[in-house]
Amino acid sequence: GAGVSQSPSNKVTEKGKDVELRCDPISGHTALYWYRQSLGQGLEFLIYFQGNSAPDKSGLPSDRFSAERTGGSVSTLTIQRTQQEDSAVYLCASSPQGSYNEQFFGPGTRLTVL
Amino acid sequence: QKEVEQDPGPLSVPEGAIVSLNCTYSNSAFQYFMWYRQYSRKGPELLMYTYSSGNKEDGRFTAQVDKSSKYISLFIRDSQPSDSATYLCAMSPRSEKLVFGKGTKLTVNP
Repeated sequence: GAGVSQSPSNKVTEKGKDVELRCDPISGHTALYWYRQSLGQGLEFLIYFQGNSAPDKSGLPSDRFSAERTGGSVSTLTIQRTQQEDSAVYLCASSPQGSYNEQFFGPGTRLTVL
Repeated sequence: QKEVEQDPGPLSVPEGAIVSLNCTYSNSAFQYFMWYRQYSRKGPELLMYTYSSGNKEDGRFTAQVDKSSKYISLFIRDSQPSDSATYLCAMSPRSEKLVFGKGTKLTVNP
């Protein structure tokens, strides 16, 4: 079946602009995660959605970052007033109910802030 | 001290070699341990998943967890050029929020 998909695959923006990154999880997966991977760094947890529960936003680095998940499926990560340090690969993952450690990742969106 | 430490390498081995990749961690609450493989410009792919201490084998891959030493390993036997990738360890206390190492870049030379 189809895996996790993300769009766009690449995004170049100017400092101060807002960007939206999209994630389509695997059908039927109840949990969805966003991570950030900066050059030479490991994956950094950003936010986690599970069903209808309130999302765990503990990893968001600032209030410029927000995310939503509509209808328990598609998710959008929004970064407002982008800064150069926001340049990274943003990865989305999903997992089935009861197997939250088995996370399946999308290919990522490579964000470059000029 | 970071929660998860992983030598970034790079590690270069000849085809057929046994590869040993390792991570150490400081949080004794970690119970779940994963290894992911990430090819260049791709998302990470789950390779191995282990709960608590012990060994797990899957084909040419063996994952070991030693909770007393807070040390986990991934062994790759008969390494192939197609194994060339970055290997990421990940762990969590019970579920959901994985903490990743920085990854070790492996090159297997034909």
